[in-house]
This record gives sequence, structure tokens and C-alpha cells, in this order.
Amino acid sequence: EVQLLESGGGLVQPGGSLRLSCAASGFTVINSPMTWVRQAAGKGLEWVSAISGTTGGTYYADSVKGRFTISRDSSKNTLYLQMNSLRADDTAIYFCAEGGSWLEYWGQGILVTVSS
Amino acid sequence: DIVLTQTPLSSPVTLGQPASISCRSSQSLVHSNGNTYLSWLQQRPGQPPRLLIYEISNRFSGVPDRFSGSGAGTDFTLKISRVEAEDVGVYYCMQGAQFPRTFGQGTKLEIK
Repeated sequence: EVQLLESGGGLVQPGGSLRLSCAASGFTVINSPMTWVRQAAGKGLEWVSAISGTTGGTYYADSVKGRFTISRDSSKNTLYLQMNSLRADDTAIYFCAEGGSWLEYWGQGILVTVSS
Repeated sequence: DIVLTQTPLSSPVTLGQPASISCRSSQSLVHSNGNTYLSWLQQRPGQPPRLLIYEISNRFSGVPDRFSGSGAGTDFTLKISRVEAEDVGVYYCMQGAQFPRTFGQGTKLEIK
């Protein structure tokens, strides 16, 4: 059974950093395309970043490019999202998902709040 | 970036009746490999999104056959043949043809 479990969210001040983790089971993250999607309260879904399963190539939304970094650790079977220079408009629930061109499995999400 | 426009944004439906949601893309979603990467997701209240349909019309594992997808190029449709109470939520289309991936604004399905 595929499971994804996000962690690492919380309250951070503007300009601060957080690293989100997404622990996977039931498949291997190093062989699968993986994606981060976020959702601000009461709003729609926003694609944030993805990493290719084959090449390891990384992709970012313009809104986070240069501030966020996606990566993965094969030994821990975990996906990460390093978030720096956080802004108030980064406040959202962050979901990790397995997939690239379509997103098959989703985690429950983790709340990130950027506020002073 | 590819813009996906969903209509309607809200759809009140009677139980047992059909429902239909349209998703129009600002560009063709046909990838250079010939596949069309348009998918549909359902998000029930308080839940993460769930994949329903991928590549226009392929139902994902465990998705009831009352859900169907159709379309081509830039125009796509999700149909529910007979709406059930558990279908309440917001439905999103998503394109996977180009980076950045993009979602439609969402269509809220509610029971009359």
C-alpha cells in the first residue's frame, strides 16, 4: 500500500526557513516522479515543484524559484522541500504527491504558516 | 504558462442525476510523445485531493465507473453519470503536458 506522510511544518517568521519531509512507503521515491502542491486556506491547488524519477531533474513554480529546493534521499525513501526566504503568501497546506504528469497518491498535507 | 478554465465554478445537483464539468486549456495538452496529459482530481471537504482520471479518460484504481472523462486537444469534460452524496467536494482538472503544471480553479459540486 502506498503511503505518504509529510512532516516539518509549523509557524515561521517572514524571511525564515523550513524543511518539509515526505516519508514514502509502498514504493521507491528515487524511481518515481514526485511533486509538491500547496493550497492556501479556502483556495485552489497550486503546483510548487517536482523532481523527475529518472533524471532527477527539478522544476519549480516561478513563485518559489530561487527560494525553494526539492530533493530526495534514497536511504530514507523520503522527499524534501527546503523553503528559504519565506513570505506570508507561502502560508498554505503543503501536499506531497507521487507522480509527475498526473498525481496518483497524495499525503494528508502539512500546514506552513508564515507570520510574525 | 498553460491556463485551465473550468466551468461551472459551482454545480448544484440532485442526487441520482448526472453532472458535467468542463475544462478548457489555453494551449494543446498533447505532449511531444503523443499523449495528452489532462487529469481530474476530487477533493472532499477536509481531505487531500484524490486522482480520479488520468490521460483524459483513464479511471484510476478504485474509482467508480460513474466517473468518466472525455475530450481532446484543449477541451475536456468530466461526467458523473449519477451523483451520490459522497461525490460532494471540489473537482480540479490538471495539465501535465508542460512545466509548470497547472490546475483549473476548481468546481464545487453540491447537492440541491
